[in-house]
Amino acid sequence: DGGITQSPKYLFRKEGQNVTLSCEQNLNHDAMYWYRQDPGQGLRLIYYSQIVNDFQKGDIAEGYSVSREKKESFPLTVTSAQKNPTAFYLCASSIKAGLHTDTQYFGPGTRLTVL
Amino acid sequence: AQSVSQHNHHVILSEAASLELGCNYSYGGTVNLFWYVQYPGQHLQLLLKYFSGDPLVKGIKGFEAEFIKSKFSFNLRKPSVQWSDTAEYFCAVNGGFQKLVFGTGTRLLVSP
Repeated sequence: DGGITQSPKYLFRKEGQNVTLSCEQNLNHDAMYWYRQDPGQGLRLIYYSQIVNDFQKGDIAEGYSVSREKKESFPLTVTSAQKNPTAFYLCASSIKAGLHTDTQYFGPGTRLTVL
Repeated sequence: AQSVSQHNHHVILSEAASLELGCNYSYGGTVNLFWYVQYPGQHLQLLLKYFSGDPLVKGIKGFEAEFIKSKFSFNLRKPSVQWSDTAEYFCAVNGGFQKLVFGTGTRLLVSP
């Protein structure tokens, strides 16, 4: 069963804590992405990775960090420096980096709530 | 920088009504255009896309969109909506290396 999995589905954390969101894909895609979705603001790009051991900042990278040690995994850490972390986080992947016509496929998302 | 505008934030229609959701983008070069849909409780999924060729693009579930270059628009249409079309719809543009820029989304509610 191919696809993108994100865990957990719901996540609660206290202010000042770092938290890591998981994203795994078994589609053999080269590129992976993290977006943040807020009501009325659409999706905004946090980080993306075109290949293993390489990643670039998106439009709202402050307060976030990522790693890409394996092709199938692209975890996102929300640090305590992120001013407004409560949001719905979406992970996506696409077949080949460098082909801007590629469709991005999305995971089910993780809803993070900071208490 | 590229940007996408979706002017209708909320749309309410009765079943069998026709739908048109507006999408305008700002980018001077060649663009690739997408419509994604997010049904309640489901993944964001691709509805249709335009890369080149025929500016009238047909997607899943009877949706279509027309790319009008002179108007920088890519409006989504469906002649007769169903209750199951209730969802949030996102227009997105990619004018550069793999960076999709999304609009703010339009929530469609179809009443039976």
